[in-house]
Amino acid sequence: DVKVTQSSRYLVKRTGEKVFLECVQDMDHENMFWYRQDPGLGLRLIYFSYDVKMKEKGDIPEGYSVSREKKERFSLILESASTNQTSMYLCASSSSHDRTLYEQYFGPGTRLTVT
Amino acid sequence: ILNVEQSPQSLHVQEGDSTNFTCSFPSSNFYALHWYRWETAKSPEALFVMTLNGDEKKKGRISATLNTKEGYSYLYIKGSQPEDSATYLCATSPPTGNQFYFGTGTSLTVIP
Repeated sequence: DVKVTQSSRYLVKRTGEKVFLECVQDMDHENMFWYRQDPGLGLRLIYFSYDVKMKEKGDIPEGYSVSREKKERFSLILESASTNQTSMYLCASSSSHDRTLYEQYFGPGTRLTVT
Repeated sequence: ILNVEQSPQSLHVQEGDSTNFTCSFPSSNFYALHWYRWETAKSPEALFVMTLNGDEKKKGRISATLNTKEGYSYLYIKGSQPEDSATYLCATSPPTGNQFYFGTGTSLTVIP
């Protein structure tokens, strides 16, 4: 079974703090993604990576950065957390090798509250 | 950004009822349509992926159809059970690249 794990299920941080959200996958997938999910807005892509040390901006990258030093790990960084970054954050991974089967596999999510 | 829409936003049905919901998407720049089920406190789980116009997929009591010419997909649940309660997400993927474009989801509650 594909497994995508996220470092925390719930996180509470203060405004201005630097926040790290970690994601690890065990299927040797090339692609990894970070989304946020807000009521009425669906899943919105923040950043994705298709290879180690490679990253691409998604639809809402402002206020975030990412790091992919190893293939299995993709980190989302909030440089200075703000209250409008309170949200559910989901990590996903997928393979590049077979396009017909390149489902995205998701972690359980991290619910981040910034106070 | 591809505009993927789902309706209704939420749905309450009685146990045993059959139900369906819709995912609409731009028919241009389309490669595949994905359905996911997302139960509370769990990871979104892939249900179906469809690529061809007229595709139909079935898994137990859940089935899905795809019309790429008019840009919509239906998800059907026959004889809803409380364990079907979840948010159902659809997403499209374009011919190139690995990005998915998600709809806002349909939240289904099945009342025992």
